[in-house]
Amino acid sequence: EDQVTQSPEALRLQEGESSSLNCSYTVSGLRGLFWYRQDPGKGPEFLFTLYSAGEEKEKERLKATLTKKESFLHITAPKPEDSATYLCAVQASGGYALNFGKGTSLLVTP
Amino acid sequence: NAGVTQTPKFQVLKTGQSMTLQCAQDMNHNSMYWYRQDPGMGLRLIYYSASEGTTDKGEVPNGYNVSRLNKREFSLRLESAAPSQTSVYFCASSRGETQYFGPGTRLLVL
Repeated sequence: EDQVTQSPEALRLQEGESSSLNCSYTVSGLRGLFWYRQDPGKGPEFLFTLYSAGEEKEKERLKATLTKKESFLHITAPKPEDSATYLCAVQASGGYALNFGKGTSLLVTP
Repeated sequence: NAGVTQTPKFQVLKTGQSMTLQCAQDMNHNSMYWYRQDPGMGLRLIYYSASEGTTDKGEVPNGYNVSRLNKREFSLRLESAAPSQTSVYFCASSRGETQYFGPGTRLLVL
């Protein structure tokens, strides 16, 4: 059975303090690993799709990386506006559903 | 483009009442999805539609029905609401593997 575990559950950073969020997964053949950002009261906002081990993608202060067992979302010099819940999801080969983790709640303080 | 839109934004029902959640997308996507999000749990797939005229059950379909009205619209119906269906409901659409989410409908069943 596909499984996605995100850690930590919550993370508090000072503005400018870089860190990483972890997404560990097990899936019967990976079609894609997805990162989303969700603000309170809003729907998930797409950030990245990663397809194979070794792949990396960047967007502003965010960088996502992928290995065969986990993905990291690196946040460099975060700002308060980066505060949100970050969701990781996997899609199995031949499947259509996204299997989501529970998310990491990030708070960046000035 | 508005992307994925959902109505209503918030609804309160009494146990046993029925209602339909509406979803529309203007991105010309073939596939559409309904998820629910509950505290402490990841998003879970309720139903999926690969194209107009087709629907498939997801992980938690009990108590729900869906209609893919046309390529743009995908509705979710609760025939007899139960307190366990109190949740936030998200509609999503995709052309390839990346899913784009709407703003959500918050449903409270008393």
